[in-house]
Amino acid sequence: DAGITQSPRHKVTETGTPVTLRCHQTENHRYMYWYRQDPGHGLRLIHYSYGVKDTDKGEVSDGYSVSRSKTEDFLLTLESATSSQTSVYFCAISGTTGDNEQFFGPGTRLTVL
Amino acid sequence: KQEVTQIPAALSVPEGENLVLNCSFTDSAIYNLQWFRQDPGKGLTSLLLIQSSQREQTSGRLNASLDKSSGRSTLYIAASQPGDSATYLCARGEDSNYQLIWGAGTKLIIKP
Repeated sequence: DAGITQSPRHKVTETGTPVTLRCHQTENHRYMYWYRQDPGHGLRLIHYSYGVKDTDKGEVSDGYSVSRSKTEDFLLTLESATSSQTSVYFCAISGTTGDNEQFFGPGTRLTVL
Repeated sequence: KQEVTQIPAALSVPEGENLVLNCSFTDSAIYNLQWFRQDPGKGLTSLLLIQSSQREQTSGRLNASLDKSSGRSTLYIAASQPGDSATYLCARGEDSNYQLIWGAGTKLIIKP
């Protein structure tokens, strides 16, 4: 497996609480992505990063913000969690080999009560 | 809107059979096509990546093909085993921003 870790792996929180998920890579890949996966919707891109401090929105970015201050870390923040943000969140990386092969982290299961 | 379609949504076959999973896409200006496997409750594992200039890629019992003119990719699994049971997803790559457009997946069950 590519060197990608996500933390925490599981989290239960309450509506209105801020939540930050962390993705850490040891592969020095340029691109990093945050997805959410929900039954009936498949994988949907939230935000992605194409370099340190360079980020852009995906198709479901409302309610989420990201930051990338180092190559190896990509943070996803839910400023005020809602029940609709209950999901499994995956981080992915790509870009070192130049062919955009994406490699995924193990996921974080987030429950917002 | 560019779309990726995987049919069937689910497939159940006896162990030992050779099988083909299908992935179709709109817009032949594809950058690449990637196949993934996802086990229940787990992350995604990259199986094969086919660049737009390639027609196929092989890894062990897996062979993926790409036909841009027909907008189709297939994943061929030879001599299927119960351990191949998983959901298989395909995704087409975009060169403009390195994003992937995803299919909904085919859930494969291999019966012992």
